[in-house]
Amino acid sequence: SQQGEEDPQALSIQEGENATMNCSYKTSINNLQWYRQNSGRGLVHLILIRSNEREKHSGRLRVTLDTSKKSSSLLITASRAADTASYFCAASGYSTLTFGKGTMLLVSP
Amino acid sequence: EAEVAQSPRYKITEKSQAVAFWCDPISGHATLYWYRQILGQGPELLVQFQDESVVDDSQLPKDRFSAERLKGVDSTLKIQPAELGDSAMYLCASSLLRVPTSGEQFFGPGTRLTVL
Repeated sequence: SQQGEEDPQALSIQEGENATMNCSYKTSINNLQWYRQNSGRGLVHLILIRSNEREKHSGRLRVTLDTSKKSSSLLITASRAADTASYFCAASGYSTLTFGKGTMLLVSP
Repeated sequence: EAEVAQSPRYKITEKSQAVAFWCDPISGHATLYWYRQILGQGPELLVQFQDESVVDDSQLPKDRFSAERLKGVDSTLKIQPAELGDSAMYLCASSLLRVPTSGEQFFGPGTRLTVL
């Protein structure tokens, strides 16, 4: 069974707008990771945030983590059409990842 | 840039037939994972190897699925017999880190299985 849930399930925005995706998980974690998946392809790692961190930035990505609420958010700023993909959060426990169901992001030109 | 290789990319088979998928992780990566991803869902872990040893196969349906990583490098996942519900994307991933740490995983392109 999957541990996390992303919200929203789908998101449609215009180029240049910001996209925010939320993730909730159920058990304690070592870190939380975000991945992107283009249609029918493998997953690509975006960013990892450790359980003792609250916020992390990487380029146009900003991730927050609230362990007290067991939730995380991914913000993509100034989105581009190339950002169109599914985004998954993955909760990391002992040595494995438990993925959520993902958010489908559509960025229109 | 090093990548995880998987083959075949697509496989169509009939119910009750045997299928096998192959994965070659990034060189030097000790940990290898097999995931199953049903359309519209996130990946679910089937089995995890560290070198040639199974670390976690608790979600692997062992009555029909088997996995091996004999020399601690490449790996094979087999389904016998295939059932209609096995239609999914099968993803292989590898990680440089060893148990119990968990870091970035590198995914292959996947094998899309269709069972008719």
